Amino acid sequence: KAGVTQTPRYLIKTRGQQVTLSCSPISGHRSVSWYQQTPGQGLQFLFEYFSETQRNKGNFPGRFSGRQFSNSRSEMNVSTLELGDSALYLCASSLGAGGVTSYEQYFGPGTRLTVT
Amino acid sequence: QKEVEQDPGPLSVPEGAIVSLNCTYSNSAFQYFMWYRQYSRKGPELLMYTYSSGNKEDGRFTAQVDKSSKYISLFIRDSQPSDSATYLCALTLYSSASKIIFGSGTRLSIRP
Repeated sequence: KAGVTQTPRYLIKTRGQQVTLSCSPISGHRSVSWYQQTPGQGLQFLFEYFSETQRNKGNFPGRFSGRQFSNSRSEMNVSTLELGDSALYLCASSLGAGGVTSYEQYFGPGTRLTVT
Repeated sequence: QKEVEQDPGPLSVPEGAIVSLNCTYSNSAFQYFMWYRQYSRKGPELLMYTYSSGNKEDGRFTAQVDKSSKYISLFIRDSQPSDSATYLCALTLYSSASKIIFGSGTRLSIRP
């Protein structure tokens, strides 16, 4: 079974621009969660989508948004990029039906975003 | 105060040693406890999970949870160089099991 894929793997953007990251979950997984990983703050939860609806949200500003399509693929958008948005963005998929089916998450390799 | 505190290390031990990794948390509402392992340039992978106080063993790995002290541990026996990675403790609530709160991670190096 194919794993979680993320595109692109690397991205360089300029402050003020916007960016869209893509995530394809494992086949059959309906939940996609997004995380930001930085050396200073570690791995932080952004949001989770399940059946095209945002089900959980972390403590990030509204510049961070996402969506999920009917095939469970998900996109994350960051508008008006700031230098502090430079990070590894990871998506993870799970069956999402509660309990272990929700916290047993399979992570992709991440997208490394650099904002200059 | 952070919801979960984890010693960042780095921790370096010789091959064959017993490794102890620890986290403390502040919210007694956390009900699910996990350990993820992250190799360099890879996403994290779930290593072990439990939802009750006590010990859970899986091969060379033992996860321990003490809810009364809000303390979780991971023990690695007969450590191998392939165990060299960053280990992240993780917690979540029953009501939002997908919203995982991660510790900052402990970087572990096993010397051959």
